[in-house]
Amino acid sequence: NAGVTQTPKFRVLKTGQSMTLLCAQDMNHEYMYWYRQDPGMGLRLIHYSVGEGTTAKGEVPDGYNVSRLKKQNFLLGLESAAPSQTSVYFCASSRLDNSPLHFGNGTRLTVT
Amino acid sequence: DAKTTQPPSMDCAEGRAANLPCNHSTISGNEYVYWYRQIHSQGPQYIIHGLKNNETNEMASLIITEDRKSSTLILPHATLRDTAVYYCIVRRFGNEKLTFGTGTRLTIIP
Repeated sequence: NAGVTQTPKFRVLKTGQSMTLLCAQDMNHEYMYWYRQDPGMGLRLIHYSVGEGTTAKGEVPDGYNVSRLKKQNFLLGLESAAPSQTSVYFCASSRLDNSPLHFGNGTRLTVT
Repeated sequence: DAKTTQPPSMDCAEGRAANLPCNHSTISGNEYVYWYRQIHSQGPQYIIHGLKNNETNEMASLIITEDRKSSTLILPHATLRDTAVYYCIVRRFGNEKLTFGTGTRLTIIP
């Protein structure tokens, strides 16, 4: 049972390049989330999804897009990367409502 | 969701109980208290949650005051592996979002 898997683990981008971060969960969870964490700060919610085919904005959605075409996958896209998007990105999933979140181990993205 | 206040850092001797406080004075009746921790740079790990009764699991105990305005996470016998950042979060029932603050950096001292 892998839980929540994030790929890639590390990536370096140049300003203006695009990329997609993949999150996959094998627990049949309904809810999925993308967070970013900057040094010395807590996690900030970017986008989330409450089910296949649905997405919603979190606290800091600008510059990101997401898709949830399959229940087990949640993709985070950066269309034109900026240095301000240098961060560690965490994906999480949960069953409905008050169930605890299960997190992946993060993707470390550097934009130069 | 109600905001939480935690001390930025704490130390605890190995083998002793670590008591981590959290203030959530604006909590409302349908909001749960959750605790997570983040070891080094790994993804956060769920510890425990509760509504108004005290809770215990294999990792920790959660004590919520009668007025629900504060809570304490207790790690009964702290080990070096418990060194981490601990997040106290208040989440309304049915709210999909979970908002993290900056947490308490707990250091276990040998």
